[in-house]
Amino acid sequence: AQKVTQAQTEISVVEKEDVTLDCVYETRDTTYYLFWYKQPPSGELVFLIRRNSFDEQNEISGRYSWNFQKSTSSFNFTITASQVVDSAVYFCALSEASTGNQFYFGTGTSLTVIP
Amino acid sequence: ETGVTQTPRHLVMGMTNKKSLKCEQHLGHNAMYWYKQSAKKPLELMFVYNFKEQTENNSVPSRFSPECPNSSHLFLHLHTLQPEDSALYLCASSQDRGHGQPQHFGDGTRLSIL
Repeated sequence: AQKVTQAQTEISVVEKEDVTLDCVYETRDTTYYLFWYKQPPSGELVFLIRRNSFDEQNEISGRYSWNFQKSTSSFNFTITASQVVDSAVYFCALSEASTGNQFYFGTGTSLTVIP
Repeated sequence: ETGVTQTPRHLVMGMTNKKSLKCEQHLGHNAMYWYKQSAKKPLELMFVYNFKEQTENNSVPSRFSPECPNSSHLFLHLHTLQPEDSALYLCASSQDRGHGQPQHFGDGTRLSIL
């Protein structure tokens, strides 16, 4: 079974719109980490954020914000006032304590920001 | 300077060729990883090395052979590949195999098998 589900395959928004990328995970571990990565056309996955399972505080970094809700097993990512440079594929990943630092990635959401 | 460097960026090879992918990290990390990224599929972990020792081999066919001569370098030797092996191969590193360490990725090698 897929441990990380990103149901949105592709999203298109017009520049300056807000957009939320969904991530739902599945784990039986009580200790785990969640990650978001950005993959621009160049190919490199760029690390954006890491949250551990004991810290449900939402986080904001500039135009980026993350909403972690254990009750719904979700770790959603919102980009405010989107820009063309935000166009990329975004991946959510899970790392469980029981499997060391093995990452389980979702299938990614391709975001296109239209000028 | 990019933390994780992969060469070549693109590789086209026939099924009978032998080639190698190279990864080098400049982050002082001790764990390195090979992933395969195919269209519409999650990244697939192939191999993991921690302090130069292979710790995982996720049922990867023997036509893929990894090598880790030191903590900074990782190779993926390829021979007798199949068309379905065409994909983006990504290298990553992390401080070690400790739980929750962010993995830092290279740009990948786009591999096409003719």
